[in-house]
Amino acid sequence: EAQVTQNPRYLITVTGKKLTVTCSQNMNHEYMSWYRQDPGLGLRQIYYSMNVEVTDKGDVPEGYKVSRKEKRNFPLILESPSPNQTSLYFCASSTGVNGGPGQFFGPGTRLTVL
Amino acid sequence: GESVGLHLPTLSVQEGDNSIINCAYSNSASDYFIWYKQESGKGPQFIIDIRSNMDKRQGQRVTVLLNKTVKHLSLQIAATQPGDSAVYFCAETLMKTSYDKVIFGPGTSLSVIP
Repeated sequence: EAQVTQNPRYLITVTGKKLTVTCSQNMNHEYMSWYRQDPGLGLRQIYYSMNVEVTDKGDVPEGYKVSRKEKRNFPLILESPSPNQTSLYFCASSTGVNGGPGQFFGPGTRLTVL
Repeated sequence: GESVGLHLPTLSVQEGDNSIINCAYSNSASDYFIWYKQESGKGPQFIIDIRSNMDKRQGQRVTVLLNKTVKHLSLQIAATQPGDSAVYFCAETLMKTSYDKVIFGPGTSLSVIP
């Protein structure tokens, strides 16, 4: 089954404790992306990657890191989480420049930073 | 389910009627547009897309209209059903030779009255 998986689905942590949210897709997609979704602010792009070892900042990259060492994986790293990073996070992937049906989204990760 | 937006524009329609959801996009250079549907507790799901060299595109029960002059997109859903109740987002991006960052609209909450 074609899908984007994220882990964990729910996470409660404390300020300053480094964490990683994993994202994996099994569709051989070139493009992957991370978003955060907040009430009243909609979906905002954090980082995106157009291929292995190619990443770029979205609209809200501060406080986040990403890496793309393999095509299928695109982890999101919070080196020192803060309460303002409490949010619902989505990973997405798509085929890239040759089109395709927009992006496939994962089920989301609900992060709470205390 | 989780709330995806506390201050969303809302649209209520009677089951069987047609729905029209509007979106103003921000970048006149954007050349690829996508509509997504997000049900409570889930990630966004692709509905239909359109490139800037088109004015209209039809899918199954859905039609997207693009007016580049006023930077406006609309999503028309024919014979709206209870399963269409969700939040609908438009998204824009600049494809050029590859995907650029993606900007989402604020979303519209559609409620179908049985």
